[in-house]
Formats: sequence, C-alpha cells, structure tokens
Amino acid sequence: AIQMTQSPSSLSASVGDRVTITCRASQDIRNDLGWYQQKPGKAPKLLIYAASSLQSGVPSRFSGSGSGTEFTLTISSLQPEDFATYYCLQDYLYPFTFGPGTKVDIK
Amino acid sequence: QVQLQESGPGLVKPSEILSLTCTVSGGSISGFHWSWIRQPPGQGLEWIGYIHYSGSTTYNPSLNSRVTISVDTSKNQFSLKLSSVTAADTAVYFCARVGYSSGSEWFDPWGQGTLVTVSS
Repeated sequence: AIQMTQSPSSLSASVGDRVTITCRASQDIRNDLGWYQQKPGKAPKLLIYAASSLQSGVPSRFSGSGSGTEFTLTISSLQPEDFATYYCLQDYLYPFTFGPGTKVDIK
Repeated sequence: QVQLQESGPGLVKPSEILSLTCTVSGGSISGFHWSWIRQPPGQGLEWIGYIHYSGSTTYNPSLNSRVTISVDTSKNQFSLKLSSVTAADTAVYFCARVGYSSGSEWFDPWGQGTLVTVSS
C-alpha cells in the first residue's frame, strides 16, 4: 500500500497567519490527492481534490499544490474556524490511504 | 443536497458481525460509488472499501476477508458487514459518496459517523 506522511504533525498558529502543511507519498501518485478538514466530533470535510481543485463552497484562502510525491495545503490567512485536523488522501491506487493528520491549534 | 446517515448497533460482541447501514437522502444512489471509512478513537482515518450502485465492490486488503459491502437501490441504502470483530475494530464508522473527475476520486459528502464499540 502507498504510505502517506504529513508534516508537521501539529502546529500552533495565530489568526491571520499563513499556514502550510506538507503531504508526501511513498511513490508517484500523479495528482491523485485530496485534502480534508476534520473538527472534533465531526465528519471530515473535503477541501481540495485532484491536488489543486477547490471543492465548491470552500473558501478561497485554501489552496493545494503539488504532484508526484510531494503536495502542500496552504491556508493564506488562518481564520478562527480553521482550527482543526487536516488529512491528505491518495486515490491513485487501492487501497486508498490517508496521511496521519496535522492538527492546527491556536497559538 | 445529498445527505447520508449511518445506522446500526453501537455495541458488538467480539467474534460477532458488525452491521451498519447508510441511508442516502436528497438524491439517488444510482450513478455513484459509495464508501465506508472508519476512525478508531483518537486515531486517523482508514478506508474500508466501496461499492458501485451496480454492485461491484473494492475492498481494503487489510480487511478483505472480513468485509462485505452491499447496496439496495430500492431503499437508497448501502450496507457494511464486518465479521469476526475484535476490540481493534472499535471505531467511528463513516459512510460517504465518491465523487470523480478526470481520474481523481474523492469523498463528499460524508455521514455524521456512528461509534461502534466491540466489547463483551
């Protein structure tokens, strides 16, 4: 199975900060990567699919980039509602596999 | 808009079968793949597998011998059965619709999730 790693595992940031999360795949997955946001007690929410396509209704401060084995999720100006855990997911090969998550909390 | 709701027992005994159903409302189950994903308490997400509305399935090999996903288009539902459960199968189980475009797939929307505890 393709292994996904994320860095950092957690970070503390302030409202208005620019935040970047990195996801790496153990092999080339083209652009078959999505990003999900999960708040405590809630289901994950799709933010980005196909590495850089913004899901309808998701604020434009979220953006994704990358291809191959390295991908990034950027939040251009962190808002109070963005404090959550973020997961990447590769959909290139079965079994689909998630990264371990990056928790973003308040500094 | 499409909404998904998981239902089923919250407590299952070890070695028994975990059975959950996901009911789709606000849209038809036809034309899409539908997936199950789980999350042990305090841990990350694991893809269990998915089913096309026609009935074809793909499972995670880590669970392959124990998992069955089925669909009932007449009820707009799909279901998960996981056999021979142990405490390691304790998790919140989510159902989700699979979206796809140009070779990429994603999960959206999701159900709210249901906690299943395996304990005697």
